[in-house]
Amino acid sequence: AQTVTQSQPEMSVQEAETVTLSCTYDTSENNYYLFWYKQPPSRQMILVIRQEAYKQQNATENRFSVNFQKAAKSFSLKISDSQLGDTAMYFCAFMENTGANSKLTFGKGITLSVRP
Amino acid sequence: EAQVTQNPRYLITVTGKKLTVTCSQNMNHEYMSWYRQDPGLGLRQIYYSMNVEVTDKGDVPEGYKVSRKEKRNFPLILESPSPNQTSLYFCASSPWGRETQYFGPGTRLLVL
Repeated sequence: AQTVTQSQPEMSVQEAETVTLSCTYDTSENNYYLFWYKQPPSRQMILVIRQEAYKQQNATENRFSVNFQKAAKSFSLKISDSQLGDTAMYFCAFMENTGANSKLTFGKGITLSVRP
Repeated sequence: EAQVTQNPRYLITVTGKKLTVTCSQNMNHEYMSWYRQDPGLGLRQIYYSMNVEVTDKGDVPEGYKVSRKEKRNFPLILESPSPNQTSLYFCASSPWGRETQYFGPGTRLLVL
């Protein structure tokens, strides 16, 4: 079974600085998808970024980028120019590319606080 | 506006009293799923549906039922709620398998 590990429960960063959130996963699959979701205090789950495992190029979305290391099974999220609105819980998630179920397997999440 | 809606958003109930949490999407998505979120555990899948009348268990299905009679609706049914089902519940949908899933706003359930 796939597992997703987010070992840091909390992080803090100064506004305008850069922060990196770590995620590792375990799978025997070769093709799969990885995601970062943001959960602000409203509890809404918001997609931040998506990476297909067959793509070597790291995904980017404005201030958000990932460092995808397939051999190391690592998928970290870098937030540049941190803003107060980035304060939230962040979840790393994995989706396999086989079978009928498009289940997302989530890590435990990391709480990010952006300090003014 | 494309969205996934859930009702109710908050619910307090007592052990054994049947309840239903509704989920509806207006994007004509084929795939729908229910997750529960508990502190320190992330989100875990309860049930999913590939299309109308096609449903199957996820990782934590015990104590829950679902149905998919219409493409847009995917209600979650707790026939006899227990305190260990106190949680934050999310419905999600996607156009088809392997596509990005869009989440509803969540339903916070407290079972006394």
